[in-house]
Amino acid sequence: NAGVTQTPKFRVLKTGQSMTLLCAQDMNHEYMYWYRQDPGMGLRLIHYSVGEGTTAKGEVPDGYNVSRLKKQNFLLGLESAAPSQTSVYFCASRAAAIAYNSPLHFGNGTRLTVT
Amino acid sequence: DAKTTQPPSMDCAEGRAANLPCNHSTISGNEYVYWYRQIHSQGPQYIIHGLKNNETNEMASLIITEDRKSSTLILPHATLRDTAVYYCIVRVRGGSQGNLIFGKGTKLSVKP
Repeated sequence: NAGVTQTPKFRVLKTGQSMTLLCAQDMNHEYMYWYRQDPGMGLRLIHYSVGEGTTAKGEVPDGYNVSRLKKQNFLLGLESAAPSQTSVYFCASRAAAIAYNSPLHFGNGTRLTVT
Repeated sequence: DAKTTQPPSMDCAEGRAANLPCNHSTISGNEYVYWYRQIHSQGPQYIIHGLKNNETNEMASLIITEDRKSSTLILPHATLRDTAVYYCIVRVRGGSQGNLIFGKGTKLSVKP
């Protein structure tokens, strides 16, 4: 049981390049989330999904797109990377059956640098 | 939406109890209080959550005031490995369906 797995762990991009971050969970969780964390800012929600085929915007969605084609995977895409997107990205998931009472499970993060 | 207020930093001596406070004065009746912690460069880790009653698990205890406007996370015997940023979070109701908004947390430093 791996929990929440994020790939890659590290990535360096040049401005304007695109990439996709992958999050996979093996806990059969309905809800999945992407957060970014910048120094001194805590975690900020980018996008989330409440089930396969559904996505929604969080606090800071601009510049990102997401897809949830399979229940276990949640992809975060950067179409044209900008230096402002240099950050640590965390994926999380949680069960939906008792959504008001189920904790988030986090991956260990993807460290992205955009030059 | 309910917001939380935490002190930015606290120190605690190793072996002593660490008491981390959190104010959530606008909490709604059925919103849970969650605590997470983040050890440097790792993903946040769930600690405990509660609604009205005090809660205890193998990691910590959660004390919620009767009016539910504040809570305290207690680490009964802090160790150096408990040095981390601790987040107090109240689930945000509405369209986010179980979303959790994180603030900046409290940086706890456990000292020998």
